Amino acid sequence: DVKVTQSSRYLVKRTGEKVFLECVQDMDHENMFWYRQDPGLGLRLIYFSYDVKMKEKGDIPEGYSVSREKKERFSLILESASTNQTSMYLCASSFFGGAEKLFFGSGTQLSVL
Amino acid sequence: DAKTTQPTSMDCAEGRAANLPCNHSTISGNEYVYWYRQIHSQGPQYIIHGLKNNETNEMASLIITEDRKSSTLILPHATLRDTAVYYCIVELTNTGNQFYFGTGTSLTVIP
Repeated sequence: DVKVTQSSRYLVKRTGEKVFLECVQDMDHENMFWYRQDPGLGLRLIYFSYDVKMKEKGDIPEGYSVSREKKERFSLILESASTNQTSMYLCASSFFGGAEKLFFGSGTQLSVL
Repeated sequence: DAKTTQPTSMDCAEGRAANLPCNHSTISGNEYVYWYRQIHSQGPQYIIHGLKNNETNEMASLIITEDRKSSTLILPHATLRDTAVYYCIVELTNTGNQFYFGTGTSLTVIP
């Protein structure tokens, strides 16, 4: 069964901490994505990557960075967490090319206090 | 960027067909229309996608208008487990696959 695994389901951090959210996929997908989801705002794309060491900004990259050192792993980094980054974070992956569907992880609910 | 417009919420009686509309008036010729749904506390799940022709699978049917400016997702016999948020998205193909989700339609299936 295909799988996108996010390292934590729930995470609580303090303001100013450096936070790493990890995502691993086992489907040999080229593309990987990070979204955040907030009530009333739907899913918003933060960053995506279509190859190892490649990254592209999405709609809301400010305050975030990403790392893709290996094909199967895509990390989202909050350099200095703030309370407005409290949110549900969703990772997804897909094959490169047209008409390829996304596979999502279960999400990480991050609370920044 | 091609974006989509969906109603915020809809209700449907259990056992009836649920018809969820989506407008994508700026869609370009090589962009697909995808539908996903998200049940509470889970990641979104793929339902169906299409380019020009109508599509059907075990979960739903997708009707795309001839001018491709709108589409309708049809759940033929809605059940309580179909209560979810449904997202209509358009794939941008300029760099890899960029899936932009909107706020979706919250469908409530009523017993």
